[in-house]
Amino acid sequence: AQKVTQAQTEISVVEKEDVTLDCVYETRDTTYYLFWYKQPPSGELVFLIRRNSFDEQNEISGRYSWNFQKSTSSFNFTITASQVVDSAVYFCALSAGDYKLSFGAGTTVTVRA
Amino acid sequence: DSGVTQTPKHLITATGQRVTLRCSPRSGDLSVYWYQQSLDQGLQFLIQYYNGEERAKGNILERFSAQQFPDLHSELNLSSLELGDSALYFCASSGPYAAGGADEQFFGPGTRLTVL
Repeated sequence: AQKVTQAQTEISVVEKEDVTLDCVYETRDTTYYLFWYKQPPSGELVFLIRRNSFDEQNEISGRYSWNFQKSTSSFNFTITASQVVDSAVYFCALSAGDYKLSFGAGTTVTVRA
Repeated sequence: DSGVTQTPKHLITATGQRVTLRCSPRSGDLSVYWYQQSLDQGLQFLIQYYNGEERAKGNILERFSAQQFPDLHSELNLSSLELGDSALYFCASSGPYAAGGADEQFFGPGTRLTVL
């Protein structure tokens, strides 16, 4: 069975601060995919990034970056120079060959002006 | 805009009733997924269809059923509704290949169901 844990329930920062969201996952599969989704106050779920289990290269995409470490089963996500529009609930998710996404409980990020 | 459409946006009904939620996937996507988001359970996978066939089943109650039609739109039917069924129901699509979970899923805006 797959499990995703987001230990941080809420994070509050001031605009322009960096925000790092933690995600720890559990799976017995050797091939799996990790995702981050954002749910703004309007309610829709927005895809942000995807990583497969064979690629531990960490990347930066605009103000987003991620740190994937198989050794610690972690897939952390960072927003650099946060903005008020980044206020949302962020979900880490795992897919391990059975098509479904297993989501963490989510981390609510509040960016104050 | 993800390209996935869901109707209706809001639904208010009474216990014991039956409702149908509708989803149209992104153009070219063959997979449709249904998820339920509630305060106590979080985001839970319900069921997946690929090109008209059921592909995977999650924590879907027997009172719930779904299908995917030849034009690839999908419907989620919820019957004998209970107060606890109040939730946000999302449809997502991916594809066009059944890539075993590799594809990112694009979510619709959701249908908020309130059971009174």
